Amino acid sequence: GAVVSQHPSRVICKSGTSVKIECRSLDFQATTMFWYRQFPKKSLMLMATSNEGSKATYEQGVEKDKFLINHASLTLSTLTVTSAHPEDSSFYICSASQGAHSYEQYFGPGTRLTVT
Amino acid sequence: DQQVKQNSPSLSVQEGRISILNCDYTNSMFDYFLWYKKYPAEGPTFLISISSIKDKNEDGRFTVFLNKSAKHLSLHIVPSQPGDSAVYFCAASASGGGNNRLAFGKGNQVVVIP
Repeated sequence: GAVVSQHPSRVICKSGTSVKIECRSLDFQATTMFWYRQFPKKSLMLMATSNEGSKATYEQGVEKDKFLINHASLTLSTLTVTSAHPEDSSFYICSASQGAHSYEQYFGPGTRLTVT
Repeated sequence: DQQVKQNSPSLSVQEGRISILNCDYTNSMFDYFLWYKKYPAEGPTFLISISSIKDKNEDGRFTVFLNKSAKHLSLHIVPSQPGDSAVYFCAASASGGGNNRLAFGKGNQVVVIP
């Protein structure tokens, strides 16, 4: 149980284009989903927290207009990197939690984004 | 500001021996702690957790110890197996924060030598 999928697993795009990453909870309803970014040899950096049906809460320093997050249903959240630049190249990971009283987060396999 | 710290970024251990990973935290509001295991190019996998009302939690080969006064926790893996070779992340959460956001350490690379 508690399986989270991400699509695509890797994507290469050109500077200036937008890329959408999907995160799905396959066997449970995720009231809260989280988006992380991981740089090489660094920790997971939380970008934003999204609750189904409401606006995402972004961490300090994360541009909400650049990283658009939508959590339209209890099983799907999307992250759109708009007007991508090479410095946006990174490993993006989502996680899902089953509720406000659930501490465990179940992670997706991640998406490797390369912006050329 | 790193609220969760994992020093000694890498650890090599012989198969069958004990692996001990350490984690320190600074935020006294943290009351739930988790360990995750991560293979390259994959998302982290939940391993074991502990609430601040306990000082020890055991699950098979994995045991987590919590010392609240020292703001320190550790993960013991015994016996270590080659499949345990991965990066281990310590994470912490404060229940009063609502969405149960996790603060992660930088991770410890564990290599188990057959």
